Amino acid sequence: GAVVSQHPSRVICKSGTSVKIECRSLDFQATTMFWYRQFPKKSLMLMATSNEGSKATYEQGVEKDKFLINHASLTLSTLTVTSAHPEDSSFYICSAQEDGGTDEQYFGPGTRLTVT
Amino acid sequence: GENVEQHPSTLSVQEGDSAVIKCTYSDSASNYFPWYKQELGKRPQLIIDIRSNVGEKKDQRIAVTLNKTAKHFSLHITETQPEDSAVYFCAASLSNSGYALNFGKGTSLLVTP
Repeated sequence: GAVVSQHPSRVICKSGTSVKIECRSLDFQATTMFWYRQFPKKSLMLMATSNEGSKATYEQGVEKDKFLINHASLTLSTLTVTSAHPEDSSFYICSAQEDGGTDEQYFGPGTRLTVT
Repeated sequence: GENVEQHPSTLSVQEGDSAVIKCTYSDSASNYFPWYKQELGKRPQLIIDIRSNVGEKKDQRIAVTLNKTAKHFSLHITETQPEDSAVYFCAASLSNSGYALNFGKGTSLLVTP
């Protein structure tokens, strides 16, 4: 089946530093990937839609200069949280749709970010 | 944009009973409705989905019904088991590549032995 990986699974960083999270589709190509964040006991909130070879589309209220997204290949999208602050601490999850596949989105295992 | 409402937020049932979770959506163009199960700290797992050309779909103990006119869809779990305990999310989307899922707020289901 379609598998999506994320790296790292957990990261702790200091305020003011940047953190990069990778999302990979392991056995399929994905022109489109999505980035969500999830606070404890809350739903998944879409942050941005990542498109290979073009600029990401950000949801209202999500700062594109703070959450940098790069989708340089059909199997890899990265999310960089720049100048992280404690309020950026969250669970970040990516998903990918298989090119030419069904509507189903395949989710990564998530990255737990803690900013101290 | 699409707005998905989900009820109840918490649900407690005894093992063997049925559980029903309901969602409504606002965008009549939405035509893909998946349901996800998420355990603590894990990724959401697709358990069943339905498209707007179908009114009902069943997979063993799990079924989903869709009422396009009323713009609501429901998840039904029969013969619940303790391992069904998790958070369940409904979602709605357009059935084409490139469209993100709009999630409901989730239902925390607890199945007690």
